[in-house]
Amino acid sequence: ETGVTQTPRHLVMGMTNKKSLKCEQHLGHNAMYWYKQSAKKPLELMFVYNFKEQTENNSVPSRFSPECPNSSHLFLHLHTLQPEDSALYLCASSQGASGELNEQFFGPGTRLTVL
Amino acid sequence: LAKTTQPISMDSYEGQEVNITCSHNNIATNDYITWYQQFPSQGPRFIIQGYKTKVTNEVASLFIPADRKSSTLSLPRVSLSDTAVYYCLVGDGDNAGNMLTFGGGTRLMVKP
Repeated sequence: ETGVTQTPRHLVMGMTNKKSLKCEQHLGHNAMYWYKQSAKKPLELMFVYNFKEQTENNSVPSRFSPECPNSSHLFLHLHTLQPEDSALYLCASSQGASGELNEQFFGPGTRLTVL
Repeated sequence: LAKTTQPISMDSYEGQEVNITCSHNNIATNDYITWYQQFPSQGPRFIIQGYKTKVTNEVASLFIPADRKSSTLSLPRVSLSDTAVYYCLVGDGDNAGNMLTFGGGTRLMVKP
């Protein structure tokens, strides 16, 4: 248990579906992150939120839409995905977004399959 | 953005000490060096973080030379359960937003 939970753990969706991934951290952290990990590829940073403000969008397609209503919750809204978007989506949080405060705590991930 | 370079894979045997070196030639003054461990289908787990010289915790040691252009993660007496991918990250220290790039990592295989 890292203090970061993600739901659902597994998701199968069609290309025309709309779904959302949820992340919640119970650590009192101020920064939250979404990463994508495809098979046999490095983790790719997608979005960074610091104090609920999006500070980084790493050239992510608009079919992925993040939402951070408060410092404890982070969502990733999915719409019109492609099969190549199938991957493990990981959420992480940290006390701060830089320097020594940046130790990230990761959730267990959501395994997404797009048919 | 500081880029890191690590060996793709390493093999070791139970009980041995394993040293994984990471190169980060363009590390910035404010950057910290952080190492993570990842098992299959799980999120990475923080191992150790340092700025300079040597840092030690209950899991590992991190050696950082004076020029900070490289760092070495040292795992004492590895066991089979240490088989995982190890990532070296360098934060850019920018308070406006910190891009942390996970490279390919080093895949450590511990054999009996």
